[in-house]
Amino acid sequence: DADVTQTPRNRITKTGKRIMLECSQTKGHDRMYWYRQDPGLGLRLIYYSFDVKDINKGEISDGYSVSRQAQAKFSLSLESAIPNQTALYFCATSDLSQELFFGEGSRLTVL
Amino acid sequence: GENVGLHLPTLSVQEGDNSIINCAYSNSASDYFIWYKQESGKGPQFIIDIRSNMDKRQGQRVTVLLNKTVKHLSLQIAATQPGDSAVYFCAEALKTSYDKVIFGPGTSLSVIP
Repeated sequence: DADVTQTPRNRITKTGKRIMLECSQTKGHDRMYWYRQDPGLGLRLIYYSFDVKDINKGEISDGYSVSRQAQAKFSLSLESAIPNQTALYFCATSDLSQELFFGEGSRLTVL
Repeated sequence: GENVGLHLPTLSVQEGDNSIINCAYSNSASDYFIWYKQESGKGPQFIIDIRSNMDKRQGQRVTVLLNKTVKHLSLQIAATQPGDSAVYFCAEALKTSYDKVIFGPGTSLSVIP
């Protein structure tokens, strides 16, 4: 089983719909992250959380929100999806080192 | 095979040859550098890292070189294998700022059997 699990792996939705991407981890790490990947742009940080009571905006947080329900769970929401949010989304975890452990990604298409 | 900077995002090498993937980083204050490998349909996976107090670090078949003078990082893969085909990302960070890991756009490595 994967240490960092993302659901759904693929989702197609329409403009204006609310979408939630979920992430759970079994690594026991306190730190969790949501990244967005677009072709030619690498990975950009959306939000991150260092523990259950800590939420921080990343580079591109506009249009997104997150919830850290437990140490092992970190969800990303798009309140009203728009086509330019079509991308591949990755959840990641880390411990006190800066090595990131990524999930396998959630591909979101907004029509 | 070798690519220079981020202007050539695709690199093709013959199986068994050595590969060199280059990266120009942006922040002179960055003091921690990481290479990640992303295989098709998967998330990025850590390969090797290097701190700014070093200029070379070796792993299994991989070597990372850091030239702080010209803000340049490279990943050398020895005896490239088909399983090395992937997109490789360099990333830079401040040692004390976990939220400031900046990823490059990536280089796609294709290994020709």
